[in-house]
Amino acid sequence: EAQVTQNPRYLITVTGKKLTVTCSQNMNHEYMSWYRQDPGLGLRQIYYSMNVEVTDKGDVPEGYKVSRKEKRNFPLILESPSPNQTSLYFCASSLSVAFSYNEQFFGPGTRLTVL
Amino acid sequence: GDSVTQMEGPVTLSEEACLTINCTYTATGYPSLFWYVQYPGEGLQLLLKATKADDKGSNKGFEATYRKETTSFHLEKGSVQVSDSAVYFCALSGQNFVFGPGTRLSVLP
Repeated sequence: EAQVTQNPRYLITVTGKKLTVTCSQNMNHEYMSWYRQDPGLGLRQIYYSMNVEVTDKGDVPEGYKVSRKEKRNFPLILESPSPNQTSLYFCASSLSVAFSYNEQFFGPGTRLTVL
Repeated sequence: GDSVTQMEGPVTLSEEACLTINCTYTATGYPSLFWYVQYPGEGLQLLLKATKADDKGSNKGFEATYRKETTSFHLEKGSVQVSDSAVYFCALSGQNFVFGPGTRLSVLP
């Protein structure tokens, strides 16, 4: 089944403890992206990747890191999480943005709480 | 840069009422336009899309027409059901993906 998977689905952690949220897609998509969703603020893009080894900042990249060493994986790293990073996080992928008609496929979300 | 504006709601309707959620966009070039839906506790999923001017996307009774002259892509449904209660996002794809803020729809029995 074609899908985007994220792990973990739920995470409670403490300030300053490094964490990684994994994202994997099995559709051979070139484009991958991370978003955070907060009440009243909609979806905000954190980072995106047009292809392997190519990443770029989105609208709210501060406090996050990403890497794209393989086409299928796009982990989100919080080196020193803070309470303002408590949010619902979504990973998404798309075949390519070279052709704008390609839609994004979303993972199920990761709910992160930083105490 | 590219942007998407949509009515923010919340929108509350009775079952079988008509729905319109307005969406307008600003973009350079010729973007594709999308409506995504997020049901409670789930991720976003594509509802419909249109890739060029005058295209009409449709799915599950929902429709939206790509209007280049008014830069709009309004979502419509003639008769909503309780199961349509969700958050709806208008989005475009140009040089990157851009989402609107989302509109929460509640349909009452």
